[in-house]
Amino acid sequence: EPEVTQTPSHQVTQMGQEVILRCVPISNHLYFYWYRQILGQKVEFLVSFYNNEISEKSEIFDDQFSVERPDGSNFTLKIRSTKLEDSAMYFCASRIEEGPYEQYFGPGTRLTVT
Amino acid sequence: GDSVTQMEGPVTLSEEAFLTINCTYTATGYPSLFWYVQYPGEGLQLLLKATKADDKGSNKGFEATYRKETTSFHLEKGSVQVSDSAVYFCALSDQGGAGSYQLTFGKGTKLSVIP
Repeated sequence: EPEVTQTPSHQVTQMGQEVILRCVPISNHLYFYWYRQILGQKVEFLVSFYNNEISEKSEIFDDQFSVERPDGSNFTLKIRSTKLEDSAMYFCASRIEEGPYEQYFGPGTRLTVT
Repeated sequence: GDSVTQMEGPVTLSEEAFLTINCTYTATGYPSLFWYVQYPGEGLQLLLKATKADDKGSNKGFEATYRKETTSFHLEKGSVQVSDSAVYFCALSDQGGAGSYQLTFGKGTKLSVIP
């Protein structure tokens, strides 16, 4: 069964460093998402991506964040200068088509900023 | 904006007990409603969904009915098993920019089932 994959599973970085989190969505899906979950808090929407551009973003997704689909299979989230409060589990998700259809989630990347 | 409120955990039940996890929502449009489950060390998996009022979603013995009049989508199971131990998330999907349909989640309810 096709699945969303994410790498790495755990990333430790120092404050101020850039990190790139990688996701491979399911191959025939068209909509892509990043969510994050700070320990003990809600899963929060960051950004959605369709047709090679951002379709929606939350207030959390400020200028420090960017997303890219560089090669038609990978979907990346870049944090330019990490802060302590960026420590969280980051989930990638994808959806096949238009409408409120289910999103398929990856296993997550745990980001720890020290 | 949209929001989801679900009962706080953790919830501990004995095997074969009845499970209810309450979920209520606030939305400006006509959302679709979901329950996702997260087993230890894994990602979020869709458990069930309902896309319009009075729809009942069901899967693996779990059920939830979309109640527009009470803005609720409570999760129920008649007889839980140890393998149901996980974190359960209620979520809604409302049309965002360019058909985004991003999910708004509740905080999650951790369920532990003891033999």
